[in-house]
Amino acid sequence: AQSVTQLGSHVSVSEGALVLLRCNYSSSVPPYLFWYVQYPNQGLQLLLKYTSAATLVKGINGFEAEFKKSETSFHLTKPSAHMSDAAEYFCAVSEAGTYKYIFGTGTRLKVLA
Amino acid sequence: EAGVAQSPRYKIIEKRQSVAFWCNPISGHATLYWYQQILGQGPKLLIQFQNNGVVDDSQLPKDRFSAERLKGVDSTLKIQPAKLEDSAVYLCASSLDRVRNSPLHFGNGTRLTVT
Repeated sequence: AQSVTQLGSHVSVSEGALVLLRCNYSSSVPPYLFWYVQYPNQGLQLLLKYTSAATLVKGINGFEAEFKKSETSFHLTKPSAHMSDAAEYFCAVSEAGTYKYIFGTGTRLKVLA
Repeated sequence: EAGVAQSPRYKIIEKRQSVAFWCNPISGHATLYWYQQILGQGPKLLIQFQNNGVVDDSQLPKDRFSAERLKGVDSTLKIQPAKLEDSAVYLCASSLDRVRNSPLHFGNGTRLTVT
């Protein structure tokens, strides 16, 4: 079975600082990986996806993620945090065969002024 | 394009009562999902439809939960009778088709509180 693990349920950064949210996956087949963002009282929105093309994936709002097979990681980064980035972020894998999306437990990002 | 619509946004009921949630996916999206998101956790899949057929309901508590997707468009999720542990946000999502690289589009969810 495929799965994702998000390290750190809460991350705080200062405005303008680098954002790094960690996601590791477990998969015996090439994974299809996604990052979603959830703002308070809203559903999840797609930030970016990796589907076996370029290993560095650029998404919306200045976020990007790099797929590293050797480290089984798909960490999300943004060079400079903005107050509007405060939200909860979920890493997900699309499971081969069942097409189910398996979500991580989420990381709540807090941006300090 | 219009997004995934869900109603109601909030619902408070007492335990042992019944409740129903409604979802209208993005037009043309063949695949529809219901997720349960308990506070502090990631979404957990309850049921997945492809058109009007169920393709995965392995994590749906079938003794109390039911769902249908008539005519392959709108869907309803019902809980009867509700338990305290059903308090959660119920998210509906749709995707264009059942392929691995097709992203999910989520509605804003229904927050259920069972007292």
